[in-house]
Amino acid sequence: GQNIDQPTEMTATEGAIVQINCTYQTSGFNGLFWYQQHAGEAPTFLSYNVLDGLEEKGRFSSFLSRSKGYSYLLLKELQMKDSASYLCAVRGGNNRKLIWGLGTSLAVNP
Amino acid sequence: DGGITQSPKYLFRKEGQNVTLSCEQNLNHDAMYWYRQDPGQGLRLIYYSQIVNDFQKGDIAEGYSVSREKKESFPLTVTSAQKNPTAFYLCASTLAGGNNEQFFGPGTRLTVL
Repeated sequence: GQNIDQPTEMTATEGAIVQINCTYQTSGFNGLFWYQQHAGEAPTFLSYNVLDGLEEKGRFSSFLSRSKGYSYLLLKELQMKDSASYLCAVRGGNNRKLIWGLGTSLAVNP
Repeated sequence: DGGITQSPKYLFRKEGQNVTLSCEQNLNHDAMYWYRQDPGQGLRLIYYSQIVNDFQKGDIAEGYSVSREKKESFPLTVTSAQKNPTAFYLCASTLAGGNNEQFFGPGTRLTVL
């Protein structure tokens, strides 16, 4: 079957760095997405990886290893507003829809 | 401004009534999607459409229906056959192509009393 695993909850301190992991098992692979979702709001796009390696975008970076079925989202210089759920999603072999993880709820404390 | 709109933000209905949730986009996106989100469940795909006048069932289509008569619009009807309709409903759209992210509307929170 197809499956995406992420930790359910994480806690970090303002100004610190946090890494949110995502492992996946899918039928085919056509890219991995990270989204941020604040409570009661819609998800917003953060990053996209289709090739192995690190993609950096400001305070956020995302890494992909296709051979290991593994990705992580790295958040630097954490701010209180980064408290949100972070969703990992994979576009499988049929290329038409995304397979979603359950999300990681991140709490940033002062 | 381009974007996706969903209305209303909050919707209340009595049990046994059908209700239609609207989703409109002016991004000229080809594909549109309907998701349902429950606490601790993540996003679950209800229906999706790649082109006008065509749509496919997602993972939890039972009790729902859709139409795609125009490129900009993809309304979702929650029928009385849906056993647990109370949820947060999200509409999304994307351009064709694997590296294009899905853009989401603000969502509709449906409560069935």
